[in-house]
Amino acid sequence: GAVVSQHPSWVICKSGTSVKIECRSLDFQATTMFWYRQFPKQSLMLMATSNEGSKATYEQGVEKDKFLINHASLTLSTLTVTSAHPEDSSFYICSAGQGSSYNSPLHFGNGTRLTVT
Amino acid sequence: RKEVEQDPGPFNVPEGATVAFNCTYSNSASQSFFWYRQDCRKEPKLLMSVYSSGNEDGRFTAQLNRASQYISLLIRDSKLSDSATYLCVVENFNKFYFGSGTKLNVKP
Repeated sequence: GAVVSQHPSWVICKSGTSVKIECRSLDFQATTMFWYRQFPKQSLMLMATSNEGSKATYEQGVEKDKFLINHASLTLSTLTVTSAHPEDSSFYICSAGQGSSYNSPLHFGNGTRLTVT
Repeated sequence: RKEVEQDPGPFNVPEGATVAFNCTYSNSASQSFFWYRQDCRKEPKLLMSVYSSGNEDGRFTAQLNRASQYISLLIRDSKLSDSATYLCVVENFNKFYFGSGTKLNVKP
């Protein structure tokens, strides 16, 4: 089945530093990838839609200058949390679909647990 | 109104019980429907797609009711390992909307 790889799985960083998270589709090309954030005991919240070769589309309330998304190829999207603060500590998950065909599900990366101290 | 709504639960059931979850969606033009399972501190994993005719995979049965705009998931003969959060996902023009998830606890 389709595999999406996310790296790193967990990261601890100091307040004020930037953290880059990679999301790769390993066996298919993904023109669109999605980035989510999930706080403890809450549901997944879509942050942005990453489009290959163009600017990402951010959901309302998500700061595009803080969460930089780059989708430079059909198999790689990156999310950079800039100047991270403790309130950015969360579980970040990416996902990708294999295409726009009917009933094409999302495949998720294994997630990145970010802790900002 | 939210795009996708689910009862958050928790549903606490004994082993062997049958349990059903519903999920309603607001956009009648929605095209694809899925159930995902998420274990604590892990990423969601696809459980099954939901087809108009209904579909079954072992102990799991999914149904779609377009007229009433809801999908359902039935789990028969619950196992302890079924304890998880079940997410309803609705796709509309390549945009995916998630329910908040229904938590299931299967007790011995």
